[in-house]
Amino acid sequence: GAVVSQHPSWVICKSGTSVKIECRSLDFQATTMFWYRQFPKQSLMLMATSNEGSKATYEQGVEKDKFLINHASLTLSTLTVTSAHPEDSSFYICSARDATSGFEQYFGPGTRLTVT
Amino acid sequence: EDQVTQSPEALRLQEGESSSLNCSYTVSGLRGLFWYRQDPGKGPEFLFTLYSAGEEKEKERLKATLTKKESFLHITAPKPEDSATYLCAVQGASKIIFGSGTRLSIRP
Repeated sequence: GAVVSQHPSWVICKSGTSVKIECRSLDFQATTMFWYRQFPKQSLMLMATSNEGSKATYEQGVEKDKFLINHASLTLSTLTVTSAHPEDSSFYICSARDATSGFEQYFGPGTRLTVT
Repeated sequence: EDQVTQSPEALRLQEGESSSLNCSYTVSGLRGLFWYRQDPGKGPEFLFTLYSAGEEKEKERLKATLTKKESFLHITAPKPEDSATYLCAVQGASKIIFGSGTRLSIRP
């Protein structure tokens, strides 16, 4: 149980274009989803927290107009990187939590984004 | 200020050589302490949740313990497939904080 999927697993896009990453909880209802960014050999950096049906809460320093997050259902959240630039290249990981069963977060496999 | 510190940063062991990883924390309103395993290029895999001092959890060769200031992840007779980065995270009253991880390498 507690499986989270992400799609795509890797994506290459040109500078200036937008890319959407999907995060799905497959066998539980995710009342809260989180989006993280991870640089090589570094720990996870929380970007934003989203609750189903509500606007996402962004961490300090994260541009909300650049990283659009939608959590339209209890099983799906999307992260759209708008007008991507090479410095946005990173490993993006989502996680999901069912608040009715505890504080554990279950992570997706991650998406490697390369902006050329 | 809430904080999580993991040590050592990296650990190299021989197969079968038992050891422990440390996670020291300061947090207001502890809701839970979590251990995750992360393989290169993959998302973290959930291992354990500990809620209160004195609690212990076990899974195969791994055992996690918790005190009021730190948690240990004990690995007994490790195998090469246990090589990974182990992350500790603490859920406080308002947010979760991750440590920087311990990169564990087990030589056959």
